[in-house]
Amino acid sequence: KQEVTQIPAALSVPEGENLVLNCSFTDSAIYNLQWFRQDPGKGLTSLLLIQSSQREQTSGRLNASLDKSSGRSTLYIAASQPGDSATYLCAVGAGAQKLVFGQGTRLTINP
Amino acid sequence: GAGVSQTPSNKVTEKGKYVELRCDPISGHTALYWYRQSLGQGPEFLIYFQGTGAADDSGLPNDRFFAVRPEGSVSTLKIQRTERGDSAVYLCASSLLAGGLGEQFFGPGTRLTVL
Repeated sequence: KQEVTQIPAALSVPEGENLVLNCSFTDSAIYNLQWFRQDPGKGLTSLLLIQSSQREQTSGRLNASLDKSSGRSTLYIAASQPGDSATYLCAVGAGAQKLVFGQGTRLTINP
Repeated sequence: GAGVSQTPSNKVTEKGKYVELRCDPISGHTALYWYRQSLGQGPEFLIYFQGTGAADDSGLPNDRFFAVRPEGSVSTLKIQRTERGDSAVYLCASSLLAGGLGEQFFGPGTRLTVL
């Protein structure tokens, strides 16, 4: 059974810092990996999708990497801003149909 | 609309009642997913539709839960004899590509509270 873990559960950093969020998964047989952002009381916003054949994806200040062999992904956020405060969720495409999610990292950027 | 929409945004019901939650996917997306998110947790898979058929319903917790997608577009999640443990946010997602290959786009969710 695929399990996804995100560390840390919460992170607080000053504005302007670069930061890394971590995601690990137990089964390397994945189709893809997706990073989401969730604001309080809201749905999920897709940030980046990495297919299993890819090593990384970039969008603006965000860069996500994927290492299937070690079962890890990282989300790098450059020059953090208060608007980046949210919960970040990692999800792996498992069993060809569904996403298996981690519990998320709650990120706070302090002005 | 451009994104996935879900109605109602909030639903409060009493234990034992029947509820229906609606999802309208992005136009042209053939794959549709339902997930459930409890407080402080990541979403958990419930059911996946490819077109009109439920291709994978392995995440439905029991037979009180049922979902349909009769015309391959709008989907309804139905919960019979609701229990307090059913309280959660129910999320719907759609994808252009089938088989889990495509990026999934989520709606805002329906917050269900069972009193």
